[in-house]
Amino acid sequence: DSGVTQTPKHLITATGQRVTLRCSPRSGDLSVYWYQQSLDQGLQFLIQYYNGEERAKGNILERFSAQQFPDLHSELNLSSLELGDSALYFCASSEAPRQSEQYFGPGTRLTVT
Amino acid sequence: AQKITQTQPGMFVQEKEAVTLDCTYDTSDQSYGLFWYKQPSSGEMIFLIYQGSYDEQNATEGRYSLNFQKARKSANLVISASQLGDSAMYFCAMRFLGDDKIIFGKGTRLHILP
Repeated sequence: DSGVTQTPKHLITATGQRVTLRCSPRSGDLSVYWYQQSLDQGLQFLIQYYNGEERAKGNILERFSAQQFPDLHSELNLSSLELGDSALYFCASSEAPRQSEQYFGPGTRLTVT
Repeated sequence: AQKITQTQPGMFVQEKEAVTLDCTYDTSDQSYGLFWYKQPSSGEMIFLIYQGSYDEQNATEGRYSLNFQKARKSANLVISASQLGDSAMYFCAMRFLGDDKIIFGKGTRLHILP
């Protein structure tokens, strides 16, 4: 158990809908990262937050947004969902940016039908 | 373009043998970090080892070592004395210290045979 929690574990929704994925980092970790893992695109870095501020942005679509709250939990919002958004979404945390070790959560499996 | 290449989609190795998983990268940045992660069939991502681009010594963590050859832009993972529990997908990743972006290779699926 990495100490990073993600909810929900599974999510099934229809095209065009909007969902919110939630992540709680390990106690004491200020930095949160979001990743998407799909069969065709592999593992992709989406976005990083540090202490509430966006720090780095990867291949995140405009339909996706994220934020980190004062209690350090983070949410990833996915809207106007398409079939191709079906993937495993991971959250990871570290004490600070550029830490060598990131602790991954168990992931949220999103299925868009 | 910044890119990570793992050329071995799958590997079969006898238990107790050493195994090397290949990773090459392409970047013009001088400051970067290289990671290896393990993803068992259960799906979780497990951090294995890290190497900074300015680290002079190769990183080691227990049975894992990183064979870092900066001039060749390679960062191969070596697992010594493989075990059945090492069967998993292995990902090489790079963090660019300029903008903190991280990219992953496509992965290598390792099968350890009894």
